[in-house]
Parts: sequence; C-alpha cells; structure tokens
Amino acid sequence: GQSLEQPSEVTAVEGAIVQINCTYQTSGFYGLSWYQQHDGGAPTFLSYNALDGLEETGRFSSFLSRSDSYGYLLLQELQMKDSASYFCAVEGQNFVFGPGTRLSVLP
Amino acid sequence: DSGVTQTPKHLITATGQRVTLRCSPRSGDLSVYWYQQSLDQGLQFLIQYYNGEERAKGNILERFSAQQFPDLHSELNLSSLELGDSALYFCASSVGLAANEQFFGPGTRLTVL
Repeated sequence: GQSLEQPSEVTAVEGAIVQINCTYQTSGFYGLSWYQQHDGGAPTFLSYNALDGLEETGRFSSFLSRSDSYGYLLLQELQMKDSASYFCAVEGQNFVFGPGTRLSVLP
Repeated sequence: DSGVTQTPKHLITATGQRVTLRCSPRSGDLSVYWYQQSLDQGLQFLIQYYNGEERAKGNILERFSAQQFPDLHSELNLSSLELGDSALYFCASSVGLAANEQFFGPGTRLTVL
C-alpha cells in the first residue's frame, strides 16, 4: 500500500522560513508533488520532484531523497497569504495525497 | 482559474438517491482524476481516466462509478447515497498519463440529508 506522513500543523511569523516534511511508503515511485489549498478553495500545484535534489520556484523550494523516502517543502519570506494547508502527494502505483499540514503565518 | 470546470457547484440530496457530477478538463488535457475531500480531511483519490480509458483506481466505493467521454469530459456517478458521502468532490486534469502536475476544478459540494 501507500501512506504518507506530514506534521498536522506548523506556525511561523511573517518573513520567516518554514519547512514542511513528508515521509512516504509506496509501492512503486515516480515522483512527489506539493499542493497548496486555502480554506474553501481548490488545491493548486506548487512543485514536483522525480529525482533527488532541490527544485526552486520563487519563494518555494522542494526537496526529495528517494533513498530516504523523504521530501520537504521550504517556504521562504513567509507572507500572510501563505496561510493554507499544504499537501504532499506520491505518484506510484496509485496516486495518494498526504493528510496535509496547516500552516498559520502570524504577523 | 485553472481551466477545469465542474458542475454543479452545490448539490443537496437525500439518502438513497443517485447523483451525477460533471467535469470538463483543461483544453488539451487527456487525464481526468476524481477526488473526495470530507470535512477537514485530506484528499482521497478515487479514480483516473486517460483518453477515455480507466487508468488507476483508488479508494472508490462500488456504489460510485465514473466514465470519460470522447470529448474528454468526465462524469462521476454516486448511487445509494449515505450521509457519509457528504463531501467536496474535486476533479483534476493533467496533460498526459503522469499525475505530476494536476489542475483542480473548483469542486462540487455534495450534502446528503
């Protein structure tokens, strides 16, 4: 089967850097994706890692270590609008989303 | 706006009934995915279609079925509805077979009374 673990909540202040970790167990692995979802909204794609290493997209970066079945999303220069839930998702034999991490950004 | 459309936006029905949710993918996208999100829960993958064919199946109940039509729009049919089926149902699409970057529609909120 497939399962993913993420912290349920993270709190940080504006301007700070926060890292959201994701560990996974999967049958087959093609890649790890990250999505952001604001309350009442639809998930929006942030990044995708198929190979080990860091992918950077503006203030957001995502890292993958296939040997450790681990990845993280790094958010820099936090803004209030970054308050949302963040989901990691594994593309393997199937497609599975993690339980989500609720990020609260405080002024 | 992701380019993915879903109808209806809201649906209220009674237990035992049957409903159909509709999704139109982004122009050019061949894959369609269906997800269920219950209150304060994560996204549960239900099923993926690619160019009209079923490609992957997740935790989809036997009471639920889906299909993708030649024009690539998709429908999710939910029957013998139960209170626990109340949730947000999202459709997403991607260009090809790979599920790496999916574009989500606004969702259909289903309430079963």
